[in-house]
Amino acid sequence: ETGVTQTPRHLVMGMTNKKSLKCEQHLGHNAMYWYKQSAKKPLELMFVYSLEERVENNSVPSRFSPECPNSSHLFLHLHTLQPEDSALYLCASSPHWPENTGELFFGEGSRLTVL
Amino acid sequence: GQNIDQPTEMTATEGAIVQINCTYQTSGFNGLFWYQQHAGEAPTFLSYNVLDGLEEKGRFSSFLSRSKGYSYLLLKELQMKDSASYLCASMDSNYQLIWGAGTKLIIKP
Repeated sequence: ETGVTQTPRHLVMGMTNKKSLKCEQHLGHNAMYWYKQSAKKPLELMFVYSLEERVENNSVPSRFSPECPNSSHLFLHLHTLQPEDSALYLCASSPHWPENTGELFFGEGSRLTVL
Repeated sequence: GQNIDQPTEMTATEGAIVQINCTYQTSGFNGLFWYQQHAGEAPTFLSYNVLDGLEEKGRFSSFLSRSKGYSYLLLKELQMKDSASYLCASMDSNYQLIWGAGTKLIIKP
């Protein structure tokens, strides 16, 4: 079983849909992250949770809504997205936050296409 | 502002050596990281440098010069499976990772 699992791997949605991305980590880590990866651009940190408490929110539009019910699960709820939100959404975990945040364990990502 | 620069794409030959450069400007510095990302897969951690010098790990080595704001990743005895994107990231004083856009490395037989 991989350390960080993301579902779904691919998602196509219209601008008026509501969908959710799910991330689960089996590493016993305390911190979880959502990143956005667009082609030929640096990774963009969206949200960080440490022990289920949101500790970073990098000016992300409100159409993205994170949820962390426990230290093993992280969700990204999506609604009324724009075509420019099409990207690969990566979940990651690390043992602690803020220390040790450099060595992240990533999931394989959810490829989102907004039509 | 904070910035990471690395080449967009490089090509090398199987069995050869390639050096991927990265320059960084961050508010404070808590280390330089390299990640490997194969197409369609998760980024995976390769190396971490916080002191000047060369860190060797098998066929891969990473170098850091803090005074120059410069790092490189050296890959020896290239194999086809080394075809991937290599991401450079600097950790700033707030323990935030500042990422480069990645270098796509193409290995030719």
